[in-house]
Amino acid sequence: QSVLTQPPSVSAAPGQKVTISCSGRSSNIGNNYVSWYQQLPGTAPKLLIYDNNKRPSGIPDRFSGSKSGTSATLGITGLQTGDEADYYCGTWDSLSAGWVFGGGTKLTVL
Amino acid sequence: EAQLVESGGGLVKPGGSLRLSCAASEFTFRNAWMSWVRQAPGKGLEWVGRIKSKSDGETTDYAAPVKGRITISRDDTKKTLHLQMNSLKTEDTAVYYCSLDRDGRGMDVWGKGTTVTVSS
Repeated sequence: QSVLTQPPSVSAAPGQKVTISCSGRSSNIGNNYVSWYQQLPGTAPKLLIYDNNKRPSGIPDRFSGSKSGTSATLGITGLQTGDEADYYCGTWDSLSAGWVFGGGTKLTVL
Repeated sequence: EAQLVESGGGLVKPGGSLRLSCAASEFTFRNAWMSWVRQAPGKGLEWVGRIKSKSDGETTDYAAPVKGRITISRDDTKKTLHLQMNSLKTEDTAVYYCSLDRDGRGMDVWGKGTTVTVSS
């Protein structure tokens, strides 16, 4: 069971918008930065969002991040079939002194 | 472009040991904090541990499930990160990734991973 809670799956049609939630507690999300990762099938994770809402160079602005209290959200607009992947949230946990991740959310673009 | 390449994975019996390596290029490795993250077959990401830069004390942090059984070290002259794993268990079977750890802000460079299988 993961420290951070994500929905196991989400789905939406091409061109639509989807949000993925990530819930934690004060020792992790509540007091630390949240990052988001995309993992395409058979590949390594890729950083999508860091510092709660910043995008690394090369990540399109269709991807956005936000944080409020002990929860965070990843938003993806203009969905494409190439966005089908597993998405993970991650953050530092001050109590356990380690990184913690959500269990992952599988995005299906119908 | 910054790159990380893991090596050293393989098949090992329960109770055995394995040393993974991660070669870094195209970024200033000596200033980098580095993490190991693993992914068991069909499962999610699990942080294993990290090492800070020498200038930040080269201190290490380890996840509870592996603490006491693993050691993370670095060779800045060779730009290489190591993960020494001892007393391996079947539940250590996973793909092991090394990553560039921005001190809790995000992990922005990942290797392609190396597979460790613990089985008799």
